[in-house]
Amino acid sequence: DGGITQSPKYLFRKEGQNVTLSCEQNLNHDAMYWYRQDPGQGLRLIYYSQIVNDFQKGDIAEGYSVSREKKESFPLTVTSAQKNPTAFYLCASSSRLREAFFGQGTRLTVV
Amino acid sequence: SQKIEQNSEALNIQEGKTATLTCNYTNYSPAYLQWYRQDPGRGPVFLLLIRENEKEKRKERLKVTFDTTLKQSLFHITASQPADSATYLCALGTGGYQKVTFGTGTKLQVIP
Repeated sequence: DGGITQSPKYLFRKEGQNVTLSCEQNLNHDAMYWYRQDPGQGLRLIYYSQIVNDFQKGDIAEGYSVSREKKESFPLTVTSAQKNPTAFYLCASSSRLREAFFGQGTRLTVV
Repeated sequence: SQKIEQNSEALNIQEGKTATLTCNYTNYSPAYLQWYRQDPGRGPVFLLLIRENEKEKRKERLKVTFDTTLKQSLFHITASQPADSATYLCALGTGGYQKVTFGTGTKLQVIP
């Protein structure tokens, strides 16, 4: 089945820890995106990547890092510098000028 | 500054009526506009895409209009059903693989 897979579904982080969220797609899409969603809010863009080995900051990149070493994969690291990381994280991919396909999301909680 | 505005208040309508949701934007020149549906705890699901040179797009009970002069898109669901209850998000793309930016969404509740 073609699609986009995020893991884990739920993630708990201790204060001061870095955590990495996984995002894999087998849709052969060039572009991939990471969004953050807080309760009752819309999606805010963290990072996006148009091609392998290239990515751009979105509107709220501080405290986050990404890599794009393979077309299929776009992992997001939430660093200890992110002061309020508890949120729902969504990964998406798309072809040029086409709709985005989203994963099922990762719910990150700081404990 | 750039803004994408959707009604933050929930929209409640009676089953069978037409629901109309609004998306207004400022300081964007989008190449296309998209509408998505999001259910609680799930990722958004694509519904319709309309390009800057298109005025209207339809798909089954859904209709989208795009007015680049007014900087507004309207999203209509005709003959609404309780299963249409969800949050609806609009998103702007500025061409190529540029940033795809989402509005805050409007929650629609269809009452039986």
